[in-house]
Amino acid sequence: GEDVEQSLFLSVREGDSSVINCTYTDSSSTYLYWYKQEPGAGLQLLTYIFSNMDMKQDQRLTVLLNKKDKHLSLRIADTQTGDSAIYFCAEGFSGAGSYQLTFGKGTKLSVIP
Amino acid sequence: DTGVSQDPRHKITKRGQNVTFRCDPISEHNRLYWYRQTLGQGPEFLTYFQNEAQLEKSRLLSDRFSAERPKGSFSTLEIQRTEQGDSAMYLCASSLVGDEQYFGPGTRLTVT
Repeated sequence: GEDVEQSLFLSVREGDSSVINCTYTDSSSTYLYWYKQEPGAGLQLLTYIFSNMDMKQDQRLTVLLNKKDKHLSLRIADTQTGDSAIYFCAEGFSGAGSYQLTFGKGTKLSVIP
Repeated sequence: DTGVSQDPRHKITKRGQNVTFRCDPISEHNRLYWYRQTLGQGPEFLTYFQNEAQLEKSRLLSDRFSAERPKGSFSTLEIQRTEQGDSAMYLCASSLVGDEQYFGPGTRLTVT
């Protein structure tokens, strides 16, 4: 079955880069997503990557995908205290048959001023 | 604000009572999803609708849970005879077919 794994905690200093890693098992995944969740709030879609891409950059965010190893990473450049949150990796499927996303347990990012 | 909205944001109920949550999706989105998130976990899929049709239900959705989307717009999720294990954040998301899902703020349920 599907399984998405992430390390649970990451601590970085303000201004440094953060790299959050994720591994997934379902090779038929079409899209891979990164969501951000602040305390008591819902999930905010940050970015996503199509499975035939290797990299996607969006302002301070860079997503790298190694499909052979089923490894996804999210790099946040110039990390700010407002980036402190839980980051979820999720895999999904495109097209008319797509429905559920399968999430990891989330990585709690703490930014030290 | 044209995002996904959920009501109520918080619900405290006693074990055995019934509760109902509402989700209003982004207006042009024809797909609507329900997820459940317990403390320290990622969201888990419960069910989804395309327009008014409920197309998939997870095994997590016991017989005590029922969801509807009668006119293909808002949706309700009802839990009958609540149990303490039902305490969780219930998240709603919406999308166009094949597109990314946008989440609402969630309804936090506490069963005492």
